[in-house]
Amino acid sequence: QSALTQPPSASGSPGQSVAISCTGTSSDVGAYNYVSWYQQHPGKAPKLMIYEVTKRPSGVPDRFSGSKSGNTASLTVSGLQAEDEADYYCSSYAGSNMGVFGGGTKLTVL
Amino acid sequence: EVQLVESGGGVVRPGGSLRLSCAASGFTFDDYGMSWVRQAPGRGLEWVSTINWNGGSTGYADAVKGRFTISRDSAKNSVYLQMNSLRAEDTALYHCARGTPYTRFDPWGQGALVTVSS
Repeated sequence: QSALTQPPSASGSPGQSVAISCTGTSSDVGAYNYVSWYQQHPGKAPKLMIYEVTKRPSGVPDRFSGSKSGNTASLTVSGLQAEDEADYYCSSYAGSNMGVFGGGTKLTVL
Repeated sequence: EVQLVESGGGVVRPGGSLRLSCAASGFTFDDYGMSWVRQAPGRGLEWVSTINWNGGSTGYADAVKGRFTISRDSAKNSVYLQMNSLRAEDTALYHCARGTPYTRFDPWGQGALVTVSS
């Protein structure tokens, strides 16, 4: 059970777009369309932003989108806003009732 | 409103035991699998354990397998995490979440802090 690989940090100016990658293996990200993304502000519980690779829960702005190619999933935030500054984590199903998270990416809005 | 409220955290010595509880409300508990996810101080999220809707299937991270046991009680709308043989590296904020790795974790509780220290 190795953690998924995310860049430690990402940044962009207000209005710009930024993509955060999440690389796993053929046993987790590459095997299942059960990749989800979570936003966590300091001192708060994580919040679901994307599930099943591309689906957005109600209430999440359409500026947030997800995709996957092979063993790598991505979260794209378009039209960056100050309130998007947070930590972002990806998660994937890894088979046999197991899950795995990425190490997290700190998104800074410049 | 869907709510998850954890309890049972505290300070315990290495080798000790602790039982976390998560009380769920605002949804049909028996329709959902439930999970525990932890976050060590200043670190990222780590999936710990999952139980399916009827308790018939469970999963554990390698780091806790054989030491932790997840269970649920539909009469009390609650999920539990029995933690034995605790180690310093188990120190973390333990979040309860509705869902499983093959659905999604949504929502999350605020967490119960477990500190393992001599």
